[in-house]
Amino acid sequence: NAGVMQNPRHLVRRRGQEARLRCSPMKGHSHVYWYRQLPEEGLKFMVYLQKENIIDESGMPKERFSAEFPKEGPSILRIQQVVRGDSAAYFCASSPQVTGVGANVLTFGAGSRLTVL
Amino acid sequence: SQQGEEDPQALSIQEGENATMNCSYKTSINNLQWYRQNSGRGLVHLILIRSNEREKHSGRLRVTLDTSKKSSSLLITASRAADTASYFCATANNYGQNFVFGPGTRLSVLP
Repeated sequence: NAGVMQNPRHLVRRRGQEARLRCSPMKGHSHVYWYRQLPEEGLKFMVYLQKENIIDESGMPKERFSAEFPKEGPSILRIQQVVRGDSAAYFCASSPQVTGVGANVLTFGAGSRLTVL
Repeated sequence: SQQGEEDPQALSIQEGENATMNCSYKTSINNLQWYRQNSGRGLVHLILIRSNEREKHSGRLRVTLDTSKKSSSLLITASRAADTASYFCATANNYGQNFVFGPGTRLSVLP
């Protein structure tokens, strides 16, 4: 039973290029979260998605960043025209569907480390 | 923002000692969770405490929650070198979703 799979683990891009980070949630999980972490800092919430639906994108920068979780396939975090400040570790987490007032636990992937030259 | 805020930012102790980390948050919550992150890795869930609970134990971990003070503490007893990691608290909103993490406490356990 594979956990949350993220790829690539490491990605190097030059300024102005596009970065695509993929996340396959744990089997049976229908919710995906994306977080960004700078070195020696905590996780900053970016976006929360269900299949084919963005539930909360309040942490996403207004420009250049987008996320999707299609009916089939992994969730994708896309960063267009990357800048040096986008260099960070991007973590994906998944959780099962919440029914009523539940208490979910997040299962994290190992992260994708983006370096912008 | 309901962001949790851990303190201390960094903690260094000797093996065998107890380690206590604190977390404060701002808004009402459904539950509060603690996670651990080893260097360069993803986070691993440690323990969850619901808003109607005051204390919870799991092995060498003890978590308390004081909703009147909007604070929680994580106690690791009889620490080991392998406990060296960053520890984060995360709060979930009233629907148990939308987790917000604090900046973390970096714990170093010296052999």
